[in-house]
Amino acid sequence: GAGVSQSPSNKVTEKGKDVELRCDPISGHTALYWYRQSLGQGLEFLIYFQGNSAPDKSGLPSDRFSAERTGGSVSTLTIQRTQQEDSAVYLCASSLRAEGRKFFGPGTRLTVL
Amino acid sequence: DQQVKQNSPSLSVQEGRISILNCDYTNSMFDYFLWYKKYPAEGPTFLISISSIKDKNEDGRFTVFLNKSAKHLSLHIVPSQPGDSAVYFCAASEGGSTLTFGKGTMLLVSP
Repeated sequence: GAGVSQSPSNKVTEKGKDVELRCDPISGHTALYWYRQSLGQGLEFLIYFQGNSAPDKSGLPSDRFSAERTGGSVSTLTIQRTQQEDSAVYLCASSLRAEGRKFFGPGTRLTVL
Repeated sequence: DQQVKQNSPSLSVQEGRISILNCDYTNSMFDYFLWYKKYPAEGPTFLISISSIKDKNEDGRFTVFLNKSAKHLSLHIVPSQPGDSAVYFCAASEGGSTLTFGKGTMLLVSP
């Protein structure tokens, strides 16, 4: 399909384990965003990539969270030493340019036991 | 500190009637506002937007109103349809890149 895809769709892990979440943005989109939605909460901004610029990491909640975007396309969000409060739906979005309309993927539901 | 607030967690409306979803914001630097619709197990999808230079934008059954002095916007859906049942998120941005979202309002349109 031509939309944003994310994998896995669901991930269950044990507290203390590391997890990697993947996002494939729409081809040609230069901007990529990670958000998360915890239960009963809105979407919380995590990190933003724009072209070759340094990413805006201002939303990352702790140094256990990191993300990279290789080749200006696929992005991976890594959470180290997961905690129960990391349980949420992690959403990726991309846009043609920074100011453009954001298209969201279906999300990865992360459950930390 | 929540910069975008949706104070109604849920709203129930009968089919054919008007749905009005409200949103308040605190950051006066926001210059672009959007509404997203989200079905379960899907990502949010863009619905309608408005620039701070306007006070109304209409697209079919959907109209967004912006009151800058009150830092308030609202989404009107007329007439409401059962397929409109979803969670609606209000979002705002400063300069158009990163979006700040509200917590969402779950709309239920009953036949």
